[in-house]
Amino acid sequence: DTAVSQTPKYLVTQMGNDKSIKCEQNLGHDTMYWYKQDSKKFLKIMFSYNNKELIINETVPNRFSPKSPDKAHLNLHINSLELGDSAVYFCASSQDLIRGNTGELFFGEGSRLTVL
Amino acid sequence: AQSVTQLGSHVSVSEGALVLLRCNYSSSVPPYLFWYVQYPNQGLQLLLKYTSAATLVKGINGFEAEFKKSETSFHLTKPSAHMSDAAEYFCAVSDRDSGNTPLVFGKGTRLSVIA
Repeated sequence: DTAVSQTPKYLVTQMGNDKSIKCEQNLGHDTMYWYKQDSKKFLKIMFSYNNKELIINETVPNRFSPKSPDKAHLNLHINSLELGDSAVYFCASSQDLIRGNTGELFFGEGSRLTVL
Repeated sequence: AQSVTQLGSHVSVSEGALVLLRCNYSSSVPPYLFWYVQYPNQGLQLLLKYTSAATLVKGINGFEAEFKKSETSFHLTKPSAHMSDAAEYFCAVSDRDSGNTPLVFGKGTRLSVIA
């Protein structure tokens, strides 16, 4: 079983469209994240949820809306897509540091979004 | 706030040569440190991590890293490079007192291995 799985792996769409990416983890972790990796491979945190509660919301346009129906799932919906949204989006999960864990992240395979 | 700096966005070595990828960190408290590898079109995979148990940490695929507090460094090494080591490598840091603050990543170093 894949520990962190995200779908779809590839997404090609037109500017102005709305799209969603889904993520599920079966590791029993409390915290899930969305990272954006740009064309230069730089990884930037976008959002973090702990037990369905939003705890980190970086300076991301409000066209991006995460939703966590339960602690095993974290979805990302993007409205009115723009060319600059083209990137690889990674979902990740971890046990949080409060419980004495290291915060090690477990990543999904990534979802490559191309906006035309 | 913690941060990491990876020196060199691209490192090229010959097959069989020593691999050295540099990482320096900044943290107000003893950190946890990580190296991740990303193969083309894949997600990030943990290579190794430092959690203060031992300063020399061994990871998968023959990689190791040494935590040097005096130099605030956590450089990644491998004695002999293989073609399969060609990938993007990321150093990351977490502050053990930070609660749910996520890992902070360096900008990555692309390793090329020449036959």
